[in-house]
Amino acid sequence: ETGVTQSPTHLIKTRGQQVTLRCSSQSGHNTVSWYQQALGQGPQFIFQYYREEENGRGNFPPRFSGLQFPNYSSELNVNALELDDSALYLCASSLRDSEAFFGQGTRLTVV
Amino acid sequence: GEDVEQSLFLSVREGDSSVINCTYTDSSSTYLYWYKQEPGAGLQLLTYIFSNMDMKQDQRLTVLLNKKDKHLSLRIADTQTGDSAIYFCAEERSYNTDKLIFGTGTRLQVFP
Repeated sequence: ETGVTQSPTHLIKTRGQQVTLRCSSQSGHNTVSWYQQALGQGPQFIFQYYREEENGRGNFPPRFSGLQFPNYSSELNVNALELDDSALYLCASSLRDSEAFFGQGTRLTVV
Repeated sequence: GEDVEQSLFLSVREGDSSVINCTYTDSSSTYLYWYKQEPGAGLQLLTYIFSNMDMKQDQRLTVLLNKKDKHLSLRIADTQTGDSAIYFCAEERSYNTDKLIFGTGTRLQVFP
């Protein structure tokens, strides 16, 4: 148990729809990072939030967006879903410059 | 490039030692991590090493770092069937953000 919780655990969406994934960070952690893990691959960095501000972004298009709230929980939003967006989405929380702890992930299937 | 490389598969007998290897690309990386992922699950942090260290031991786990060759290894002593999983190494590049660059993962299979 890392104290990082993600919801939902699984969901299925249709191509073109929008989706919101949620993450509650470990108590006391002020940094949240999101990763996409396609089947058979390692996680790829999407973006990071530190104290409600975006603090770095990976090579993902603008239809991937996020938010961090005052309690440091976070959302990942994906618009105009594509089939290739099917993946496990992982949230990690940390204190700045310390090790990251991951949640169990949300498995997104786009059909 | 950004590639962190790992061998894809390792099979060991229960009770033997396992050694999982990783090569990374950025000599300025500050921390290097090992994560474990069981089927259908998230990532579990196993251990990490700071870039100015050569070795770190934590119970059955030993991490070796060769900074000159950008080579990282994870040794699991007395491997058990419960160690069967995918193991990821990751480098942290803190010059722009604390993002982790992951390898493709090594699937460890432990047989009786």
